[in-house]
Amino acid sequence: TQLLEQSPQFLSIQEGENLTVYCNSSSVFSSLQWYRQEPGEGPVLLVTVVTGGEVKKLKRLTFQFGDARKDSSLHITAAQPGDTGLYLCAGSYTGTASKLTFGTGTRLQVTL
Amino acid sequence: EPEVTQTPSHQVTQMGQEVILRCVPISNHLYFYWYRQILGQKVEFLVSFYNNEISEKSEIFDDQFSVERPDGSNFTLKIRSTKLEDSAMYFCASVSSSYNEQFFGPGTRLTVL
Repeated sequence: TQLLEQSPQFLSIQEGENLTVYCNSSSVFSSLQWYRQEPGEGPVLLVTVVTGGEVKKLKRLTFQFGDARKDSSLHITAAQPGDTGLYLCAGSYTGTASKLTFGTGTRLQVTL
Repeated sequence: EPEVTQTPSHQVTQMGQEVILRCVPISNHLYFYWYRQILGQKVEFLVSFYNNEISEKSEIFDDQFSVERPDGSNFTLKIRSTKLEDSAMYFCASVSSSYNEQFFGPGTRLTVL
């Protein structure tokens, strides 16, 4: 059973601060997704990374995939209250259209 | 923008009753999934479906669960005899690309009393 660990579990910061969330596995991912989930709603896809060392940017969010494809990070620059939410990483280990294994999530709160 | 839809948004049922949760995946997607999320816990994989058959299922997906694609658009999850521990959010997801970008529906909150 693959385990996917996220850290930190909770993060409370002030508007304008930077933060990084980590996602780690002992196994190699074939692909990894980052999602954001609001209470009572479904996960919303933010990004997919596939290639080791890959970096993708989505406005103030920067996603990095580790060279060995076992870890990933999400960095938010100048956080805003609208960034508040649950950030989930989810990986697949066995190729095309395989099941996703989710991390426990990082709950981010950004205050004024 | 195409999206996955699910109905109902909330289902309340008595223990032992059958429930059917419905999903309409994105129209050109070929792979379909059900996940569930018990309150405060991780999203867990239940089953994947491709080419009108189950391609993978988890230990959670026992004989009480079944999936069906009765027509070209709907994808259903049936729980034959619900238990209290089936109370959870159930999410449908679908995929088109080789990068396994799974798009999730808004979920059905199932409450078993």
